[in-house]
Amino acid sequence: KAGVTQTPRYLIKTRGQQVTLSCSPISGHRSVSWYQQTPGQGLQFLFEYFSETQRNKGNFPGRFSGRQFSNSRSEMNVSTLELGDSALYLCASSLDPGAGEQYFGPGTRLTVT
Amino acid sequence: EDQVTQSPEALRLQEGESSSLNCSYTVSGLRGLFWYRQDPGKGPEFLFTLYSAGEEKEKERLKATLTKKESFLHITAPKPEDSATYLCAVNAGGTSYGKLTFGQGTILTVHP
Repeated sequence: KAGVTQTPRYLIKTRGQQVTLSCSPISGHRSVSWYQQTPGQGLQFLFEYFSETQRNKGNFPGRFSGRQFSNSRSEMNVSTLELGDSALYLCASSLDPGAGEQYFGPGTRLTVT
Repeated sequence: EDQVTQSPEALRLQEGESSSLNCSYTVSGLRGLFWYRQDPGKGPEFLFTLYSAGEEKEKERLKATLTKKESFLHITAPKPEDSATYLCAVNAGGTSYGKLTFGQGTILTVHP
């Protein structure tokens, strides 16, 4: 079974631009969560989608948004990029929409200059 | 607010030298505790899920245990390929859909 895939793997953007990251979950998984990982803050929860609905959101500004499609694929968008948005963005999928284990993709490394 | 604290921050072992990593947690109603391994530049790799105090899981040289306040990841006779960052995370259930709260991780280095 194919794992979680994320595209692109690497991205360089300029401050003020916007970016869209994509995630394809493991086949059959309908819950998709997004995380931001930085050396200082570690892994922090951004939001979770299940059946095209955002059920949970972390403490991030409104510049961070996402969506999920009917095939469970998900995208996240960051508008008006700031230098502090440079991070590894990880997507994880889960079979159990409750408290089941999450399987992570390789991440998208975003650098904002 | 859910909190996860891992110790030590870094651990250096000689090959074959067994040790344990600690994960202390504060959560209102634990639904699950998860251990992950992360190699540099990669996403976390799932290792174990523990749901209730007293539960134990094993995989090769790794064994995870859970009490009401903490979890331990025991590494028996480690090899250099076990070098990685080990992450602990909790899910509080309730309205915490899909949200894992992570500790800062323990960086494990195993020398040959």
